[in-house]
Formats: sequence, structure tokens, C-alpha cells
Amino acid sequence: AQKVTQAQTEISVVEKEDVTLDCVYETRDTTYYLFWYKQPPSGELVFLIRRNSFDEQNEISGRYSWNFQKSTSSFNFTITASQVVDSAVYFCALSGRGGANNLFFGTGTRLTVIP
Amino acid sequence: DGGITQSPKYLFRKEGQNVTLSCEQNLNHDAMYWYRQDPGQGLRLIYYSQIVNDFQKGDIAEGYSVSREKKESFPLTVTSAQKNPTAFYLCASSTSLSSSGNTIYFGEGSWLTVV
Repeated sequence: AQKVTQAQTEISVVEKEDVTLDCVYETRDTTYYLFWYKQPPSGELVFLIRRNSFDEQNEISGRYSWNFQKSTSSFNFTITASQVVDSAVYFCALSGRGGANNLFFGTGTRLTVIP
Repeated sequence: DGGITQSPKYLFRKEGQNVTLSCEQNLNHDAMYWYRQDPGQGLRLIYYSQIVNDFQKGDIAEGYSVSREKKESFPLTVTSAQKNPTAFYLCASSTSLSSSGNTIYFGEGSWLTVV
């Protein structure tokens, strides 16, 4: 069974604080892909990152960074020096055997950045 | 601009009526998808299509129908058989369906409300 858990339903931080969004996944596949998407109030899901199961290197993109740890089945997302524009719902997703039609989403974490 | 265009953004339906949501993409993607999003929940797959004139049911296909007559277009009809149609609908596409890890890109979504 494939499953993605985002235990944090809502998080509020003050602007310029760092914040980490947790994502824990379950899969029996040896090859799989993990994704993060951002959903601002407009509704569109914006792709942020894709990581395959064979690449555990952490990735940094500007104020965003991702920590992938297979040992704990986690793929956490950190925003450094948060800004009001970061306020959105963030979804973690898992794609395993069966291709892109087999994409499992977590329930999302709503991040509010307070000015 | 390249992307996925959904229309209308907001739609109101009377009980017993069928409504069709439009989705057009100019990304030259083979695969297209429809997802449903309910408040506080992740995305659930309604239908997907790997190629023109072919489509498959997702996890919650009952009460919905689709067609794929052109590569660029994948309209979704919400029929009167769908008992709880009020939701946010997202159309998406990816380069192909067959290999795991293809990134799925999303449109801006359509809000459907039953009145």
C-alpha cells in the first residue's frame, strides 16, 4: 500500500522565521518518486520539486530546501526566512509502481506567514 | 504561454443537471488527468487518459464521464448521478503515463457548487 502522511494540518509562523513541513511516506516499491506542490489561494497546484528514491542528496533552491531520508521514510520541506507570499497549502505526493497515474497525495499542510 | 487552461473558474449547478468542465493544454503532453479536491483533503483521481480516444477510471469515477477526442483537450462531465459534486476540480497533464516519475502539471482549477 502507498500512503503519504502530512501530520501538520496548519502551521503559523511570523515572517522571517524558518519553518519545516513534514512528510512521511509508505511504499513497498524500491523505485519511487516524491514530490512537493504549493497551492496558493488562487487554487493552482505549483510544482516545486521531484526526487527519486535513489537520490538522497538534499536539495536547496533559494529559500527552499528538502531533506530526503529513506531510513525514516521522510521527505521534509524547509522554508528559510519565510515571507507572506509563502502562505499556501503545501502537498507532498508519492508516485510508485504504475506510473504517474499512481500518484498519492497527502492531505496538505496549510502554512500561514504572519507579517 | 504554455500551460493548462481550465474553464469556467466558477460554476453553479442545479441538482439534476449535467455540467461539463473544460480543460485544454498546449504542452504537447500525452497524458491528462482529472482530480477532485475537497476541503482539508488531498487530491483524488477521477479519470486519466494516456492517449487520444483512450481513458481509464481513477479512484472515484462514479458519476463522472470524460472524452479525449483531441490530444489537447480532456473535458470532464459531472453527471446528475454524482451525489456530492460540490468540490474543486483540477485538470493536469504529464509527458507520458507509462514511466514512473513523470511530473504532473496542474491547471488553475474549477469550483463547482450545487445549488
